[in-house]
Amino acid sequence: EVQLEQSGAEVKKPGESLRISCQGSGNSFTNYWIGWARQMPGKGLEWVGFIHFRDSETRYSPSFQGQVTISADKSISTAYLQWSNLKASETATYYCASAVHGSSSWPHWGQGTLLTVSS
Amino acid sequence: QSALTQPASVSGSPGQSITISCTGTSSDVGYYNYVSWYQQYPGKAPKLIIYEVSNRPSGVSDRFSGSKSGNTASLTISGLQDEDESDYYCSSYTTTNIYVFGTGTRVTVL
Repeated sequence: EVQLEQSGAEVKKPGESLRISCQGSGNSFTNYWIGWARQMPGKGLEWVGFIHFRDSETRYSPSFQGQVTISADKSISTAYLQWSNLKASETATYYCASAVHGSSSWPHWGQGTLLTVSS
Repeated sequence: QSALTQPASVSGSPGQSITISCTGTSSDVGYYNYVSWYQQYPGKAPKLIIYEVSNRPSGVSDRFSGSKSGNTASLTISGLQDEDESDYYCSSYTTTNIYVFGTGTRVTVL
């Protein structure tokens, strides 16, 4: 069974950089997309973007384009979400999810990574 | 790409049926049969309960059903139970090759 394990909670200051991770297990992820979703405190889910493990094709939701970088290391089945200049408004829980290429649904989710950005 | 529109809250008594709507546009819900629904308990990761408009993953109760008409998709929960009290989100693939979530609906069992 596919499992996604995310890195632990982070507390950062505004202006700092950060990379969080999502490691897949239980399958070969060569033909998978990994998506990242944001959930701000008390708010709804928002898709951040997606990356394909095979060729690292990456797509971003318009609101997040230029604000984050999504990358992947297929040799260790791990995807990353990265910030170079954190803002307090980016405080949220970030979830990763996986979908088989050609499928339109996201059946497997990580446990979430809570990011707190505060001075 | 704007979020799909869902009612903020829906409530019902145990045993009743409720329906949650998810309204998009001809560039997302209305274009593809790629609407999914997710259930999320507070502090937990989302769980897929409906995919491709009306299909249930293995292990999901048949009390959950989905449909679509035009630019609006719907999730119906039949025989409402206490455990159904949760947040529900729709999601659709779009013509810009990304996905978009709905605004989310809090279901309350009275």
